Amino acid sequence: KNQVEQSPQSLIILEGKNCTLQCNYTVSPFSNLRWYKQDTGRGPVSLTIMTFSENTKSNGRYTATLDADTKQSSLHITASQLSDSASYICVVSEGYSTLTFGKGTMLLVSP
Amino acid sequence: EAQVTQNPRYLITVTGKKLTVTCSQNMNHEYMSWYRQDPGLGLRQIYYSMNVEVTDKGDVPEGYKVSRKEKRNFPLILESPSPNQTSLYFCASSATGSNEKLFFGSGTQLSVL
Repeated sequence: KNQVEQSPQSLIILEGKNCTLQCNYTVSPFSNLRWYKQDTGRGPVSLTIMTFSENTKSNGRYTATLDADTKQSSLHITASQLSDSASYICVVSEGYSTLTFGKGTMLLVSP
Repeated sequence: EAQVTQNPRYLITVTGKKLTVTCSQNMNHEYMSWYRQDPGLGLRQIYYSMNVEVTDKGDVPEGYKVSRKEKRNFPLILESPSPNQTSLYFCASSATGSNEKLFFGSGTQLSVL
């Protein structure tokens, strides 16, 4: 069964610090891996989409990495801000109609 | 502004009373889908549509109906809501292509009493 596992489940960091969120998947065949940011009670917003051939992709202070051999991805947040407090969801695609969602990592950035 | 619009934002209803949650997108996207999000379970797909008059079941379709008569609209219908359908619902759309970004609506919080 296709699965996407995220860790940690939740994380608290101080404003200005960096952090890294992890995503492991068993989805096959693999089309792409996506990271979304979801503010509480709002719809997810796309951060990055990476295909098999891409090892890293950045979006401002967010940098995602992908190791397709080990089926692992990470999302690194640099110089965190209070507005980064949200749930971060890893999503793996077999094709655009078939997405497997992780349960998310809840990040709280504390002043 | 490119967006996916869901209505209503909040809805409280009683068991068995039919309801419809509307979803509209202004990006001329072929693909649209519905998800529900429950604490500890993450997002689960209910139904999706590849284009007009083409719909298919997702992971949790029981108790739901959809229709795609026009490209921009994809309503979610609960013919006889039950308390276990209390959830946060999201509509999403994207252009055709496996690497296209998925745009989500702001969500509909549904409570079935």
